[in-house]
Amino acid sequence: DGGITQSPKYLFRKEGQNVTLSCEQNLNHDAMYWYRQDPGQGLRLIYYSQIVNDFQKGDIAEGYSVSREKKESFPLTVTSAQKNPTAFYLCASSSRTGRNSPLHFGNGTRLTVT
Amino acid sequence: AQKITQTQPGMFVQEKEAVTLDCTYDTSDQSYGLFWYKQPSSGEMIFLIYQGSYDEQNATEGRYSLNFQKARKSANLVISASQLGDSAMYFCAMREGPGYNTDKLIFGTGTRLQVFP
Repeated sequence: DGGITQSPKYLFRKEGQNVTLSCEQNLNHDAMYWYRQDPGQGLRLIYYSQIVNDFQKGDIAEGYSVSREKKESFPLTVTSAQKNPTAFYLCASSSRTGRNSPLHFGNGTRLTVT
Repeated sequence: AQKITQTQPGMFVQEKEAVTLDCTYDTSDQSYGLFWYKQPSSGEMIFLIYQGSYDEQNATEGRYSLNFQKARKSANLVISASQLGDSAMYFCAMREGPGYNTDKLIFGTGTRLQVFP
């Protein structure tokens, strides 16, 4: 079945370490997104990419980096510069740009940094 | 700048009753889309329903319907015949476009719905 795979489901890191969250999709979608969710809050956009080798900053890009070398993959690196990295991270994709395209989400990665 | 507001942090509804979850939005664009997502405790985001700004009729998907009032900039989700499995967080979201640099979905803070027997 087609879908979006995020791994791992739970991730633990020490403060000061960079960590990369994986996101792979086999839906043949052009656009991919990373969102951050804090407890009791909505989703905030970190980065998004509409085509391979191109991406744009979202509302809270500081302390994060991404790459889009393949259509299927959009990994997110949480760097040591991110002051509050502990959160739930959701990856999403959509088939085309435009106002009527829903985003399809992965199951998320819960990152804990101590 | 676009903005989504959900003023109900939590709602309770009895099984088999209908419930309305409120959503208001703010945008200067004439072309936009409104979405509702469900997030169970497991964390995944499930797409429920979509309403386009130019759609004249309210969207419906099974037990879900969207009460779209464009002049009031509201897009309330109505769940009919609530089920215990409807207990979850519900998010309203908006997407402006089409447009290369505006292709992103903005979310509200969500409403936690609890269905009781």
